[in-house]
Amino acid sequence: RKEVEQDPGPFNVPEGATVAFNCTYSNSASQSFFWYRQDCRKEPKLLMSVYSSGNEDGRFTAQLNRASQYISLLIRDSKLSDSATYLCVVGIGGKLVFGAGTILRVKS
Amino acid sequence: SAVISQKPSRDICQRGTSLTIQCQVDSQVTMMFWYRQQPGQSLTLIATANQGSEATYESGFVIDKFPISRPNLTFSTLTVSNMSPEDSSIYLCSVVAGFNEQFFGPGTRLTVL
Repeated sequence: RKEVEQDPGPFNVPEGATVAFNCTYSNSASQSFFWYRQDCRKEPKLLMSVYSSGNEDGRFTAQLNRASQYISLLIRDSKLSDSATYLCVVGIGGKLVFGAGTILRVKS
Repeated sequence: SAVISQKPSRDICQRGTSLTIQCQVDSQVTMMFWYRQQPGQSLTLIATANQGSEATYESGFVIDKFPISRPNLTFSTLTVSNMSPEDSSIYLCSVVAGFNEQFFGPGTRLTVL
């Protein structure tokens, strides 16, 4: 079983749609949680950290469920510029473990 | 934040040769890492580059294949030795800076023929 699992997609959505990505992790000792965004042929960049209380940054909402070992990312009012691969990332013992990513394509 | 540059940005190499990738950061950082991202796959940590001591390698990666140097707090190199086509990948340098945020370099795209 992979340490961090994501649906690879692609998720094809129209502009303005709301889309949600889920991610599960296997190590209950995981300490920190993130969503990274990776554009085609570019390096990953931090989108947002994920906290147990849930957190929101503009159109993006991230939630963590430690009991179920589950992380989610919700994107509201999708823009064309949101098209990218979204990586679920878990921090364990000072190291980051990356999921394989979920591809999002927003179309006009 | 941290600004990271890598050289070369891409290379095409022959089987059996070695390539050294350089990573330069615009500020002193304690934690520096090397990752590999194979086509369509997630990032995999190769090793942690330690300043003044030997790198710490992850399971499946060894020093003879991926020697790493970290002469100071702003620079590191990763060498991919005795390359085979299976080493074709993107190699990324990464650092922790700011509020414990991890930043990535632009990557080195390696193709081994």
